[in-house]
Amino acid sequence: DAKTTQPTSMDCAEGRAANLPCNHSTISGNEYVYWYRQIHSQGPQYIIHGLKNNETNEMASLIITEDRKSSTLILPHATLRDTAVYYCIVRVVGGGADGLTFGKGTHLIIQP
Amino acid sequence: GAVVSQHPSWVICKSGTSVKIECRSLDFQATTMFWYRQFPKQSLMLMATSNEGSKATYEQGVEKDKFLINHASLTLSTLTVTSAHPEDSSFYICSVLGGGGLSYNSPLHFGNGTRLTVT
Repeated sequence: DAKTTQPTSMDCAEGRAANLPCNHSTISGNEYVYWYRQIHSQGPQYIIHGLKNNETNEMASLIITEDRKSSTLILPHATLRDTAVYYCIVRVVGGGADGLTFGKGTHLIIQP
Repeated sequence: GAVVSQHPSWVICKSGTSVKIECRSLDFQATTMFWYRQFPKQSLMLMATSNEGSKATYEQGVEKDKFLINHASLTLSTLTVTSAHPEDSSFYICSVLGGGGLSYNSPLHFGNGTRLTVT
């Protein structure tokens, strides 16, 4: 699976949109982009995933550049409970037999 | 609601004893489950892939005789840490592939982890 690069940490004010970038310049055409987050002392939580189109669900939006070499996770109205480590992971289509490979992620801190 | 139940959430044991951790898939049958380990301030590291009805596949550097995995049913996988030592103290997390199965890009769902402390 392609490697990803994320900033180590970010701050965001409560109520504002949190934009978390991820670089995956070596992504292959058959790899999806997944986002998970891990709140302290809990298991990771799935947020969203996409292949090439932008995606939106009740938690977040995922913007993938046209060349697919980077993406941005957007939390539209961040709350204190969104403070967590956010992981951007790429995974092969149909790669269900393989576990996810986690990088260091971005520690997002929401400031009151 | 939760799709993966992991038990216990925390356990303290004495050095040399064994500890069993259970991972249950609540909403669907899971032929494949994954076990991760996470040390403080580090990322999750995949330990092994648990396959229902067959032997688990271990990642390089993970001792299969120390970390016994049993996946006897489509909804339950267990990880037993045998002869635990203080260096085995860690956060152990299981995950289950979503209901779409291996051929689909279902997300992985994770349990809430088990904090193991070996004294």
